Amino acid sequence: GAGVSQSPRYKVAKRGQDVALRCDPISGHVSLFWYQQALGQGPEFLTYFQNEAQLDKSGLPSDRFFAERPEGSVSTLKIQRTQQEDSAVYLCASSPGLAGDYTGELFFGEGSRLTVL
Amino acid sequence: AQKVTQAQTEISVVEKEDVTLDCVYETRDTTYYLFWYKQPPSGELVFLIRRNSFDEQNEISGRYSWNFQKSTSSFNFTITASQVVDSAVYFCALSMDSNYQLIWGAGTKLIIKP
Repeated sequence: GAGVSQSPRYKVAKRGQDVALRCDPISGHVSLFWYQQALGQGPEFLTYFQNEAQLDKSGLPSDRFFAERPEGSVSTLKIQRTQQEDSAVYLCASSPGLAGDYTGELFFGEGSRLTVL
Repeated sequence: AQKVTQAQTEISVVEKEDVTLDCVYETRDTTYYLFWYKQPPSGELVFLIRRNSFDEQNEISGRYSWNFQKSTSSFNFTITASQVVDSAVYFCALSMDSNYQLIWGAGTKLIIKP
């Protein structure tokens, strides 16, 4: 498809389970971002990739969160030993330019809604 | 500290009415960027506009218009002759020069009733 694709759209996990969320950015987009959006809130930055390089992971809330983009296209956000506070929508966004050329037009996917019981 | 405040949690109007969504920001930087994004029920955020701090000209795009006022640190968004399809959550966001980390407001849920 032409847009950013995320899967799964919905994920229910039991507390303590590991989850993996996938993002397929728009083909050729250099920059890729992950955001976490709690219910009724704006998104919060998690991490940024430029091609395969993870240049900023300052927003990851704990060492249970891990993201990768090994070939500079598809990215996976992994959450280990999930906790209830991890329940949120995880949004992926891509952009054709580099962070330094950032124009603000991010192309977002529809998100993966994670519910931890 | 940087902050974006969208004081209106939810607004409900009848179709064809004009509606203004408020956004107030805080930053000590002289160079910054302001954005509006729309989030329809499907969930994906859709970029609407970006403004830099040196350009205070108001912008109009069809039924949408934006009023940027540095004196009051506001970047308000007006929809003229609202339509049901405008129903969504609208987010205002702020970023500093060369900083891609957007700081988002909590959003305003806009309901347009037929």
